[in-house]
Amino acid sequence: NAGVTQTPKFQVLKTGQSMTLQCAQDMNHEYMSWYRQDPGMGLRLIHYSVGAGITDQGEVPNGYNVSRSTTEDFPLRLLSAAPSQTSVYFCASSQTGGATEAFFGQGTRLTVV
Amino acid sequence: SQKIEQNSEALNIQEGKTATLTCNYTNYSPAYLQWYRQDPGRGPVFLLLIRENEKEKRKERLKVTFDTTLKQSLFHITASQPADSATYLCALDMYSGGGADGLTFGKGTHLIIQP
Repeated sequence: NAGVTQTPKFQVLKTGQSMTLQCAQDMNHEYMSWYRQDPGMGLRLIHYSVGAGITDQGEVPNGYNVSRSTTEDFPLRLLSAAPSQTSVYFCASSQTGGATEAFFGQGTRLTVV
Repeated sequence: SQKIEQNSEALNIQEGKTATLTCNYTNYSPAYLQWYRQDPGRGPVFLLLIRENEKEKRKERLKVTFDTTLKQSLFHITASQPADSATYLCALDMYSGGGADGLTFGKGTHLIIQP
């Protein structure tokens, strides 16, 4: 049982480049979300989805785009990378949002130079 | 806006003692509160969930309390061990009824259990 799988684990981008962070879950969870974690800031919600075809913004959505075409996948797109987006990104899934436990991926460490 | 505070950035406890971590929140009344453990270089791992109508919940050496009047949750690890050393995160849902608007996390408490 794989749980939540994120790829890649590490990535270095140049300012202005775009890329997609992949997230897949095999637990048939409706709810999926993306967080970024920065030193001294904790985990902050970027975008979330309550089911296929439905997405919404979290606390820090600017510079990121998401889509949810299937229940399993929830990719996060960086449109034009900036040094301020250097962070560790975590994808999570759960059955029903805050009422049930969230399962996190192992994270993607992104550096923008 | 919702604010979550965890008692300290770091907490040093002697092995065998009880570690108590605090989570305080303001400006909201969550229906659910969760605790997670995070080890360096890894994603958070779920530990316990407590509902607003529950005062206390236990799992092995872990105990969580939830005081909605004080707007506070306490997380206890009894008979602490060096393997319990990690960062512990408090999280709560943003809307009553367990709405699916995402968990808000505290910054975490780095717990160090000294042999």
